[in-house]
Amino acid sequence: SQQGEEDPQALSIQEGENATMNCSYKTSINNLQWYRQNSGRGLVHLILIRSNEREKHSGRLRVTLDTSKKSSSLLITASRAADTASYFCATRGSGNTGKLIFGQGTTLQVKP
Amino acid sequence: GAVVSQHPSRVICKSGTSVKIECRSLDFQATTMFWYRQFPKQSLMLMATSNEGSKATYEQGVEKDKFLINHASLTLSTLTVTSAHPEDSSFYICSGGLAPQETQYFGPGTRLLVL
Repeated sequence: SQQGEEDPQALSIQEGENATMNCSYKTSINNLQWYRQNSGRGLVHLILIRSNEREKHSGRLRVTLDTSKKSSSLLITASRAADTASYFCATRGSGNTGKLIFGQGTTLQVKP
Repeated sequence: GAVVSQHPSRVICKSGTSVKIECRSLDFQATTMFWYRQFPKQSLMLMATSNEGSKATYEQGVEKDKFLINHASLTLSTLTVTSAHPEDSSFYICSGGLAPQETQYFGPGTRLLVL
């Protein structure tokens, strides 16, 4: 079952601008991960943030996690046309199953 | 990072036939792999958890007799879509990691088209 909700569903920006995507979830989590998917391709792991972390950076990516609000955000700074893709958040529950539950995704278009 | 491969990348079959999709972890051993299905412009839906040496665990609503999963070794899991129908046409993606709770690495996906 899907538990992640993402907004916006679609985002179109100019190259150089920042892009922010939000993800909300319903149950307690062990960690939350963000993935990128180019059209018709597999998923690329971007960043993992654990439930006891509030913010994490990786290059032009900044992820925040607010467990009290059960939400996370992904910020891509200084976007490039190559960032055009779909972005998904995925949550891993507190149990040991390791299952990832994906959000609906945000389709990002970066115009050159 | 770890590499997961899938084969085939694309398959077209006739309605009623069975199709096998392979998922391999190339440079690590995965006791657990996951199978997802993704319809166009939608998110990934977890179908089942594939456990090496034991039965797969299916998500609610996924027919285990239709989607047969075999995880015979630590580097290979297979998904067989039996008696495929056009509604089974989808993008099937597998993932694996060093441990279930750690980062999962995704295969490139298999696009199945059932005519």
